[in-house]
Amino acid sequence: GAGVSQTPSNKVTEKGKYVELRCDPISGHTALYWYRQSLGQGPEFLIYFQGTGAADDSGLPNDRFFAVRPEGSVSTLKIQRTERGDSAVYLCASSIAGGPQHFGPGTRLLVL
Amino acid sequence: DQQVKQNSPSLSVQEGRISILNCDYTNSMFDYFLWYKKYPAEGPTFLISISSIKDKNEDGRFTVFLNKSAKHLSLHIVPSQPGDSAVYFCAASWKTGNQFYFGTGTSLTVIP
Repeated sequence: GAGVSQTPSNKVTEKGKYVELRCDPISGHTALYWYRQSLGQGPEFLIYFQGTGAADDSGLPNDRFFAVRPEGSVSTLKIQRTERGDSAVYLCASSIAGGPQHFGPGTRLLVL
Repeated sequence: DQQVKQNSPSLSVQEGRISILNCDYTNSMFDYFLWYKKYPAEGPTFLISISSIKDKNEDGRFTVFLNKSAKHLSLHIVPSQPGDSAVYFCAASWKTGNQFYFGTGTSLTVIP
């Protein structure tokens, strides 16, 4: 079956701009996660949705980052006033309750 | 504070031999552990998991061992194949649906 998909696969933007990153989870997966991975590091947790609600957003670095999942399926990660330090690979994962997280290919964000 | 550590950034093994990847964790609350495999420009792919009630889980060529007293887990791949060359991340979590904490990864190269 179809895995987790993320769009765009690459995004280049200028400092100060707004970006949206989209995640389509595996059908039927109620849990959705966003992670950020910098070079040479493992994925770092940003936010977790159970259904439509954010069950844990403790990993969001500051209020420039926001994520939504209005219908409990597709999720959008939104970054306002981007900074060069936001450059990273943004990974989305989904899972059924108690199961392993299945990751998408990621969106490579570069802020110039 | 890195709660999951992979102290070997790289490992080279001859084809047919055993690969052993190690992972240490600091949080005794973790009760679910996973290994992910990552190829360049792709998201991490789930490989194998183990819950804290077990000390071993085997799936084909892959076996994960958990030593709770030492807060240590390892992944054994035998026999190693060139297609196993990738970056391997260990991850840990506690309670269902919680975020995963990832190590920094070990790059495995299997030499034909």
